[in-house]
Amino acid sequence: DTEVTQTPKHLVMGMTNKKSLKCEQHMGHRAMYWYKQKAKKPPELMFVYSYEKLSINESVPSRFSPECPNSSLLNLHLHALQPEDSALYLCASSQEGHLSISYEQYFGPGTRLTVT
Amino acid sequence: DAKTTQPPSMDCAEGRAANLPCNHSTISGNEYVYWYRQIHSQGPQYIIHGLKNNETNEMASLIITEDRKSSTLILPHATLRDTAVYYCIVRVAFRYQLIWGAGTKLIIKP
Repeated sequence: DTEVTQTPKHLVMGMTNKKSLKCEQHMGHRAMYWYKQKAKKPPELMFVYSYEKLSINESVPSRFSPECPNSSLLNLHLHALQPEDSALYLCASSQEGHLSISYEQYFGPGTRLTVT
Repeated sequence: DAKTTQPPSMDCAEGRAANLPCNHSTISGNEYVYWYRQIHSQGPQYIIHGLKNNETNEMASLIITEDRKSSTLILPHATLRDTAVYYCIVRVAFRYQLIWGAGTKLIIKP
């Protein structure tokens, strides 16, 4: 199984709402990622979790709050977002370890988020 | 970190080989070249990667020049399903971050 699943597929939320995006993988990967992708642009890294601990935060605003409850799950909690946060949010996972010099990231299909 | 340059778009006839170029003239010795593609409204899909040597798998071949300043992704027999945006990416060994190019929109024509 090389699948990363994401829910929901689409989400519309107001600027005062609180919502969460979910990501799941069962490949035994210990590194998980959140990316943001705007139209016609490549994905931008937001967060990286390694062994359920936050390893990288690419200066993401605090209105985005990641969580990794266990090795298979990754959440992104959203609060007080702005219209410019509307984008495709992608989750990815990969093998982990100092010897993993040539691992690839497996991406989910993404959640299309619209902030009104 | 090295950056990559790709043509914004290319066409290829169905059944022919699609050759997608990428320039990475500032690449360092420990930086890998990766290729991903993204079919419309889907997540990116890994294709292939390499460091110095040419690589081949069931999807594609990757040709890296001897000076490592450029590479070419080859899809040997393109089909309509290969229509996608292809990203050339550089990754430093042992780091998480991928340095994405702007991508080439490849259109396969019947």
